[in-house]
Amino acid sequence: EPEVTQTPSHQVTQMGQEVILRCVPISNHLYFYWYRQILGQKVEFLVSFYNNEISEKSEIFDDQFSVERPDGSNFTLKIRSTKLEDSAMYFCASSDGPLNEQFFGPGTRLTVL
Amino acid sequence: DQQVKQNSPSLSVQEGRISILNCDYTNSMFDYFLWYKKYPAEGPTFLISISSIKDKNEDGRFTVFLNKSAKHLSLHIVPSQPGDSAVYFCAASAPLTGANSKLTFGKGITLSVRP
Repeated sequence: EPEVTQTPSHQVTQMGQEVILRCVPISNHLYFYWYRQILGQKVEFLVSFYNNEISEKSEIFDDQFSVERPDGSNFTLKIRSTKLEDSAMYFCASSDGPLNEQFFGPGTRLTVL
Repeated sequence: DQQVKQNSPSLSVQEGRISILNCDYTNSMFDYFLWYKKYPAEGPTFLISISSIKDKNEDGRFTVFLNKSAKHLSLHIVPSQPGDSAVYFCAASAPLTGANSKLTFGKGITLSVRP
């Protein structure tokens, strides 16, 4: 069964460093998303992406964040200068339509020291 | 800003009995609702969804009921099995024309099914 994959599973970085979280969505999906879950809190929407551009972004997704689909398979989330409060699980998701269920990857645990 | 509320943090049921997980929402623009299940160290797994034009959707042991007037939905699992033990998230979306639709999640309910 097709699935969303994410790498790395765990990323540890120093505050102020750049990180890139990688995702491979399901191959025939066209809609891509990033969510995050801070420990003990809700899963929160960060950004959605379709047709090579951002469709919607939350207040969390400020200028330190960017997304990219560098090739036909990968979807990346970059945090330019990490802060302690960026520590969270980051989930990538994809769907084959805007009203269809989103399928989530296993997540990347980001720890900012 | 709790647009999707899962007020009970946990639920424990006996194997074979029914599990009823509740969810309330406040945003009347929501018209698509989903339930996800999550095991530790894994991403949310889609279970079942319902659009606002329906009041019930069934898939095997899982049934979701939607009461739009009360802004309430529930997930019924029957019979419950020990493997159903996980965190269950209610999510909702308000589709934008011709664009993606972000999911707004509740805090989740931890379901424990006792053998």
